[in-house]
Amino acid sequence: DTGVSQDPRHKITKRGQNVTFRCDPISEHNRLYWYRQTLGQGPEFLTYFQNEAQLEKSRLLSDRFSAERPKGSFSTLEIQRTEQGDSAMYLCASSLTPVRQGRYGYTFGSGTRLTVV
Amino acid sequence: DAKTTQPNSMESNEEEPVHLPCNHSTISGTDYIHWYRQLPSQGPEYVIHGLTSNVNNRMASLAIAEDRKSSTLILHRATLRDAAVYYCILRALNDMRFGAGTRLTVKP
Repeated sequence: DTGVSQDPRHKITKRGQNVTFRCDPISEHNRLYWYRQTLGQGPEFLTYFQNEAQLEKSRLLSDRFSAERPKGSFSTLEIQRTEQGDSAMYLCASSLTPVRQGRYGYTFGSGTRLTVV
Repeated sequence: DAKTTQPNSMESNEEEPVHLPCNHSTISGTDYIHWYRQLPSQGPEYVIHGLTSNVNNRMASLAIAEDRKSSTLILHRATLRDAAVYYCILRALNDMRFGAGTRLTVKP
C-alpha cells in the first residue's frame, strides 16, 4: 500500500468554474476525512465518511461543496462555481475506526493545491 | 471541543534535544493526545500519540503529565529535517481539530 493518494496535486481554475478532487485512502481504512488548509493556518476540518456514509459536515462546507464516497473506497470533493476564497490546500486523510475513542492516528495525503484566478 | 495551546514558534540547534510543550487543561478522560508534524508542501505526518502513559517510538517520545493537562513532545536529537510545524491535538471519537501548531526552526 502506498498510502493516501490525492489527485491532482495542483489545480488552477478560473473563478466560476467547477473543480473535482479525488482521494484514494489506504485500502483497509474505513474512515476518510477532508480538510482545507490556507497559508499559515492549521488544517480545518470539512467532512468525514465512515465507509460510504457521510457522518459529519463542517459549517465551512457551503452549498457549493459536495463530497462523496460512493463505494466506501475512494472519495471525491467537488467545488461548484469556485471563488477566489476557495484557494487553499485540500487535504484528505484516512484512518481505522477507533475501537476506543481516538485510538488510531490518521494518514494524510500530500494534498491538492487549488488556485482560483 | 477540548483545545490545545502551543507556542507559535521555537528554535533549536542541530543535534540537540527539543522539548515541544502543549497545554490541554480541558482534556477529557477519553481524549487521546496526538502529535503530527507538517513539512513544507506536504500533508501532516503522524508522529506519536498516547493516553496516560509516556510513549516512545522511533521518531520521538511523548511525556504526559500525571493530571494529563499538559504534554511534551521530545525530539532527542534534532536534525535539519525535523524543521516543521508541530501540531498537538486531542482526538475524540470522530475527528481531529488542528490549531496553528508550533513552527520549529533547526539551526545548523
